[in-house]
Amino acid sequence: GQNIDQPTEMTATEGAIVQINCTYQTSGFNGLFWYQQHAGEAPTFLSYNVLDGLEEKGRFSSFLSRSKGYSYLLLKELQMKDSASYLCAVSPLDSSYKLIFGSGTRLLVRP
Amino acid sequence: DGGITQSPKYLFRKEGQNVTLSCEQNLNHDAMYWYRQDPGQGLRLIYYSQIVNDFQKGDIAEGYSVSREKKESFPLTVTSAQKNPTAFYLCASSMLGEQYFGPGTRLTVT
Repeated sequence: GQNIDQPTEMTATEGAIVQINCTYQTSGFNGLFWYQQHAGEAPTFLSYNVLDGLEEKGRFSSFLSRSKGYSYLLLKELQMKDSASYLCAVSPLDSSYKLIFGSGTRLLVRP
Repeated sequence: DGGITQSPKYLFRKEGQNVTLSCEQNLNHDAMYWYRQDPGQGLRLIYYSQIVNDFQKGDIAEGYSVSREKKESFPLTVTSAQKNPTAFYLCASSMLGEQYFGPGTRLTVT
């Protein structure tokens, strides 16, 4: 099965950089996703990693290391609107349609 | 414009009543999903459907039922057998890979 771990909460300052980690125990997966979810709203897609390495998309970047069972989401030039939960999810090998989500990391950005 | 709609946004029911949550998509996606989210928790998969007239149980299917008679629609019924039905329910759809989410329905059962 899959077990996905993320820190429960993080706090950072506006304008700073924050790294949100995601570790997983799984025998294999198709790819790893990051979603952003503001309180009471639907998750929105941020990034998708299939191969090891860094995927950059504006202020957000995501990194994957399959050999280390590890991913992170990097948020640069933090803005107050980045206060949200960040969900890590993997697409398991036995079903490319499914996603298995971690519990999410609640990020609070302070002025 | 394309997207996923869920209605209503807030729903209140008395204990012992069945309630059906609607989910419609016009993205022409083959797969649809229902998740449940409790406060401070991640998303847990209830049911999913890869094609019309077929669906599979997720991790927490007990007390729920679904149907997939049309590609665009995937309604979820929360039955009286569900012990803790109060939660935020999210519907999603996808081709392969990235899932797109609807705005969610917050169900409160008292």
